[in-house]
Amino acid sequence: SAVISQKPSRDICQRGTSLTIQCQVDSQVTMMFWYRQQPGQSLTLIATANQGSEATYESGFVIDKFPISRPNLTFSTLTVSNMSPEDSSIYLCSVDPVTRGLAGGRYNEQFFGPGTRLTVL
Amino acid sequence: QKEVEQNSGPLSVPEGAIASLNCTYSDRGSQSFFWYRQYSGKSPELIMFIYSNGDKEDGRFTAQLNKASQYVSLLIRDSQPSDSATYLCAVTPGRRALTFGSGTRLQVQP
Repeated sequence: SAVISQKPSRDICQRGTSLTIQCQVDSQVTMMFWYRQQPGQSLTLIATANQGSEATYESGFVIDKFPISRPNLTFSTLTVSNMSPEDSSIYLCSVDPVTRGLAGGRYNEQFFGPGTRLTVL
Repeated sequence: QKEVEQNSGPLSVPEGAIASLNCTYSDRGSQSFFWYRQYSGKSPELIMFIYSNGDKEDGRFTAQLNKASQYVSLLIRDSQPSDSATYLCAVTPGRRALTFGSGTRLQVQP
């Protein structure tokens, strides 16, 4: 498995402001993902953070609203821009560790960070 | 649209009983299947994964996969109150992001 930390663990923000969430992994990983979990809901993928290239966003999520950086194989940030109360969610990063050395597409056990609980007033 | 369906529950079982959690998926290209446990206010914790048809056992947990029926299940034997949580089924066609079901809330009654 991988040890994942996220900062901040929680925040309360004002409408119209932006928050940057950091995700740090204790080992190099090829794939990092950002998910959102709205209150009482399951997880929805926001984007895949690719090292050395732009993030790949899912339908309904755009780069201007959720810019992502991935400067190296152990770190990524997600910014929630121009926030509204509808952005109040738990934001989770997950990783698909590459250090297990497994080939092909069958083995991708993903592990989640502790999450960032965001409340927008 | 690729979907993963779960009964939201709550599924209530007495302590010591077997809890059976079910999941169906629509994408026939799905190759990897996961069960996560999520306690209230916590992030999901991976408890089981399965890639091949049949059963996979790990302690009190057994995952069952039937690709022809597009069905995956999780059995929890000797259920304990500490097993009370939401169980999320997730699938993926490969080394890509997961598609999650809405989760089944399990309540184990002492």
